[in-house]
Amino acid sequence: EDQVTQSPEALRLQEGESSSLNCSYTVSGLRGLFWYRQDPGKGPEFLFTLYSAGEEKEKERLKATLTKKESFLHITAPKPEDSATYLCAVQARAGNNRKLIWGLGTSLAVNP
Amino acid sequence: GAVVSQHPSRVICKSGTSVKIECRSLDFQATTMFWYRQFPKQSLMLMATSNEGSKATYEQGVEKDKFLINHASLTLSTLTVTSAHPEDSSFYICSASRGLEPGYEQYFGPGTRLTVT
Repeated sequence: EDQVTQSPEALRLQEGESSSLNCSYTVSGLRGLFWYRQDPGKGPEFLFTLYSAGEEKEKERLKATLTKKESFLHITAPKPEDSATYLCAVQARAGNNRKLIWGLGTSLAVNP
Repeated sequence: GAVVSQHPSRVICKSGTSVKIECRSLDFQATTMFWYRQFPKQSLMLMATSNEGSKATYEQGVEKDKFLINHASLTLSTLTVTSAHPEDSSFYICSASRGLEPGYEQYFGPGTRLTVT
C-alpha cells in the first residue's frame, strides 16, 4: 500500500538553528514527491517537486533532497516567518490517477 | 503564475440549506481539479477529483449526492454541499493541476471555512 510518513510531528527551533524534516514513503513507482507549506487557516503553498533519487531543489532557506525511500527538507538558519506546517505528498506512476498521497505534516515553530 | 482562488472564504449557513463554493484557476488552464476537506490539526482528505467536462470521481465514503461537483470549464469548478448539517462544518480546499508532464503539481486555493448551525 502506498504510504507517506513524516517526522517529527512537531519541531521547535530557535531562530538561526538549522534542522531537517523527514518524509519517508513507499509507493509503487514514484511519479513525483511534493513539498508544501501550510499556514493556519490557509491552503497549502507549493514549494518543490522532486522526481528521481539524487535530485535536489532549493528556494531561499529551504532545500529538498530525495532518495529512493525518503526525502528531506533542510531548513538553514530559519526565521520566525518559516513557522508553518510542512506537508509531503507523493504521486504514484501507475495508471492515470493524479491523486496525491499525503503525510500528516510536520508543524514547525521558530522562536525569535 | 499558478494562482487559484476560492469563493467564499467563509460561510455560515443553517442546517438543511445548500452552499456552493467556487474554485477558479486565475492564470492557467486546469485539466483536473481536486476537492479536499481538512479537520483541525489533521492532514488533507481528498473528497473527489474532477476533469473538465466529465463526471467527478469520488473517494470512498464521500456521498456524491451530498457533495455535488461541477467542472464546467478549464478554469472553474464548483462544490455544492446539499442539505448541509453541522457535521459538514469543515475547511474545504480546492486545488488545480495543469496536468503537464513529468509531474502533476497541484496548486491550492486559500480554502473555505464552512460553518453549519
